[in-house]
Amino acid sequence: GQNIDQPTEMTATEGAIVQINCTYQTSGFNGLFWYQQHAGEAPTFLSYNVLDGLEEKGRFSSFLSRSKGYSYLLLKELQMKDSASYLCASEGDSNYQLIWGAGTKLIIKP
Amino acid sequence: DAGVTQSPTHLIKTRGQQVTLRCSPKSGHDTVSWYQQALGQGPQFIFQYYEEEERQRGNFPDRFSGHQFPNYSSELNVNALLLGDSALYLCASSKNGQGRRIYGYTFGSGTRLTVV
Repeated sequence: GQNIDQPTEMTATEGAIVQINCTYQTSGFNGLFWYQQHAGEAPTFLSYNVLDGLEEKGRFSSFLSRSKGYSYLLLKELQMKDSASYLCASEGDSNYQLIWGAGTKLIIKP
Repeated sequence: DAGVTQSPTHLIKTRGQQVTLRCSPKSGHDTVSWYQQALGQGPQFIFQYYEEEERQRGNFPDRFSGHQFPNYSSELNVNALLLGDSALYLCASSKNGQGRRIYGYTFGSGTRLTVV
């Protein structure tokens, strides 16, 4: 079957660093996406990884290990506005269908 | 430049009724995907339209159908509504090809459907 697992909720402090993990088991693999979703809003694109390694985009970085079926999103210098749900999604065999995790709710405390 | 536009934003329907949701993709995008998102869950893929054809379908019953028009806009129709169809329905647009991997899918703000 196809499955994406991520922690349900995490708490971090403003200014700190947090790592949100995602493990996936999908039929085929054509890349992994990370999206941010604030409550009641649309998901917004953060990153896409298809090769092993770390991709850095400002305060956000995403890592992929295809052999381990594992990815993480690293958020640095946390700000209160980073409080949101973070969803990982795998693009499998079809190239058109994303399989989504349930999302990790990140709570930032002052 | 307008992003993805969905209408209506909220809708309340009675069990057994039919509903039509609408989506206008971001300018320059030609592909539209529809997702159902239950509260506290990730989106579930319903189907994707490209060149006015359903290209891929997720694990949803035939009560869920769609259409794409020549201007790339799309509709999602749900017949014989069930209480379990209550959810946020998201439309995502993309440019066919590698663009979706560079820029990601662009999502609309969704239609919140409540079935009573």
